[in-house]
Parts: sequence; structure tokens; C-alpha cells
Amino acid sequence: DTEVTQTPKHLVMGMTNKKSLKCEQHMGHRAMYWYKQKAKKPPELMFVYSYEKLSINESVPSRFSPECPNSSLLNLHLHALQPEDSALYLCASSQGKGENTEAFFGQGTRLTVV
Amino acid sequence: SQQGEEDPQALSIQEGENATMNCSYKTSINNLQWYRQNSGRGLVHLILIRSNEREKHSGRLRVTLDTSKKSSSLLITASRAADTASYFCATARAQKLVFGQGTRLTINP
Repeated sequence: DTEVTQTPKHLVMGMTNKKSLKCEQHMGHRAMYWYKQKAKKPPELMFVYSYEKLSINESVPSRFSPECPNSSLLNLHLHALQPEDSALYLCASSQGKGENTEAFFGQGTRLTVV
Repeated sequence: SQQGEEDPQALSIQEGENATMNCSYKTSINNLQWYRQNSGRGLVHLILIRSNEREKHSGRLRVTLDTSKKSSSLLITASRAADTASYFCATARAQKLVFGQGTRLTINP
């Protein structure tokens, strides 16, 4: 199984809502990532988890809250988002051992904040 | 911040022709990777070249890396309509995978 599964595929939320994005992989990867991608732009790194611990936070606003409940799951909790947060949110995983190896990406969650 | 710059930003060629995309970066790296993205969905890993390698091949793909110039190129030979996508280089260093601006490749039948 070389898949990274993200749910939901699409999400529309109001600025006062709380929602969560979910990501799951069963490849035994120990590094997991959240990226944000705006239209016609490259993915921008948000968070990196290594061995279930948050290792990198790229100065992301606190309205985005990541969580790694176990080695297979990664969540991104959303609260009080702004319309400019509308984007494609991508989860990825990699082996996480030693030198960086290839990353496997999910199909993303397309988020619209209204 | 994004450290990779790619050119061209967009490339349109005829099916069967070769496509070359270039990537420049700013800091030292462990490796450089190339990814493909179709229609704004997930990215697919194409090829990884380590900092001590100069050239690598995978099927119709050829990647070069020049660490002295901090640049890489991706060559797709004998292009097909299915190669139409956005292509991104990504530099890997200290747990970070940082993407360049990307090249939008269109293959015309």
C-alpha cells in the first residue's frame, strides 16, 4: 500500500466553524507533512512531524493546529479561518530516516472558507 | 519561503518533442527531487538525485544536477499528451522539502 489518504476531498466552512482535515498512511513512514497550495503556486510547507513529534512549524497562524495521534494518522484542526485560507491542503509522508527520501502525497483537501 | 526558481514558467510543445525544465536553488541540499502534479491534485514523485550525483535517468526522464551552480534540469524525451502537467523541483534539507515555482507543461497532439 503506497497510498496517502486524505479526507474530506472538498470542504466548505464558515469563518466561525471548527473542522478537521485527516490524513492516513500505512507505509510505516515516520515523517508526515502538511502543505498549503494556492492556485498556480507551489506547495508551501506548513508543518513537519517526525516520529509523531512536531519538528517544524513554518510560522503558521494558530488557527491551524496540527495533531499526530499515532504513526499512521495526521490531523489538521481548523478554527476561525479567513477567506484567504481557501486553498488545497496536501498531506505527505516519507520514511523519515536519515537523509530525506521521496515523499508520497495524498490527493489533497480543497478547502473553501466563506 | 520557496528557494527554488524554475524556468520556463510555462512550456508548450508538440507531442514527440523533448521538454527541458530548469531549476535553481539557493542553499546547500541533501538531494533534489522532481514531482509532477496533474490538475491541482496530489503530487507524484518522479526522480531523486543526491548532492553527490551529476546525472540520473529513469525511463524517459533525465535529470542533471550542478551543485556548483545550484541548478538542476529535467529532460522529458519523446513527450506524450499524458505528460501534460505541472512539474516542480524540490530541495531536501534537514527534514524540509521545499518546492520551486514550477513549470506548466502542455503537450499538444
